[in-house]
Order: sequence, then C-alpha cells, then structure tokens
Amino acid sequence: GESVGLHLPTLSVQEGDNSIINCAYSNSASDYFIWYKQESGKGPQFIIDIRSNMDKRQGQRVTVLLNKTVKHLSLQIAATQPGDSAVYFCAENSNFGNEKLTFGTGTRLTIIP
Amino acid sequence: DADVTQTPRNRITKTGKRIMLECSQTKGHDRMYWYRQDPGLGLQLIYYSFDVKDINKGEISDGYSVSRQAQAKFSLSLESAIPNQTALYFCATSAVKGSSTGELFFGEGSRLTVL
Repeated sequence: GESVGLHLPTLSVQEGDNSIINCAYSNSASDYFIWYKQESGKGPQFIIDIRSNMDKRQGQRVTVLLNKTVKHLSLQIAATQPGDSAVYFCAENSNFGNEKLTFGTGTRLTIIP
Repeated sequence: DADVTQTPRNRITKTGKRIMLECSQTKGHDRMYWYRQDPGLGLQLIYYSFDVKDINKGEISDGYSVSRQAQAKFSLSLESAIPNQTALYFCATSAVKGSSTGELFFGEGSRLTVL
C-alpha cells in the first residue's frame, strides 16, 4: 500500500546548528506535501507546505525540498533553537484539499543546549 | 482561547462503555476531521466532514461513529470501547478546498484509555 515514512526516528542537534529531517513517500500521484510540528502535549502545528510543481520552498528559518524523482522530501531548520525540540511529521495528499492526508510516523528532534 | 477545543482532554473508561469525544471550533471552517494517534505512529484519519450534511469514513472508521451537529461542532463516539482504542485523538479543521494552503488546525488532543 501507499506509505509515507521517515528515515530516522530520532535526531539530536546542537543548538545553533542546522537540522535536516527526511521523509520518503511511495505514492507517485502525491502532489501536495506538508510538514507539521508537534510539541509535547499539543496538537500538530503547520510549518510549511509545498506543491509538486515546486522543488523548494522557504519559510522563516525553514526550507522544504522536494525531489520527485526519488520521492523524497526534507525539512531543513536553520540555526536551531530549544523551542524547535518536537516531533516533526511529513504528510502528503494526492488530491489537494487535504481530505485524506497520509502522515508519516514522525521524527523526534532534540536540541542539545 | 483555543480555536479548536476538545473535551474531555483525558478520559479513562472500561471496556464496553460508550464514550463521546467532542470538538468545537471558532475558526469558521467548513471542514472537520477526527484523527487517532498511537505511540510511534503517524496520525490516522477516522472520519471527516465537509459540511453539516456530509460525513465520510477515513482509514480506520470501524468501531467509531461521528455526528456533525453544527458547522462548529463535530463529535466522535465509541459505541462500545475496547482496549485497542486506547490512543490520543485529535480533532482538526480546515478551510474549503482551493484555499491558499491545505493547512489543518488541530485541537490539543483527547487522551483516551480503555481498561
């Protein structure tokens, strides 16, 4: 079946360094991708999204890269801060409108002071 | 105040009991969703609703039912709870299709434990 997965379940990064969280997807029809951040005890929060007609999109301290050839998505966080510690999920949809987002299992990012 | 409010936040119940989780939103969104999150797993869609008269099954609807009482309210029921329904449940909303983003707005979750 279709799946969205993450290469690493945990990632520890020194404060101030950049972090990269990876995500692989298998549905070649996926045309919309989102990254969510979930802090402990809270619901997921939208970070950034990208459509399949783009290969890069930047936000505030975050960049999402999309490689459709290898079905790979990454989230780069620049100059990490303690508040970046959270679980990060990628999600994809093959029919923009998010009625059936498929979520990955998540990567736990820990920022080391 | 939270835009998407879930009640209760925590609930412990026994096998066979009926449980209702409630969700209300002040964002004015048409679309509402119920997701389930298990440890080490991503979010799985249980049910979703595009408007008051619309109900759709998600990936894991068996054992669950929903009611969209109003645009702002979407409740999830477990008619006869079983232990493997122990999980964290999230309600979410989104704007209509074609909006600038596909962003889901999540509540803070309802942790359900079935003994």
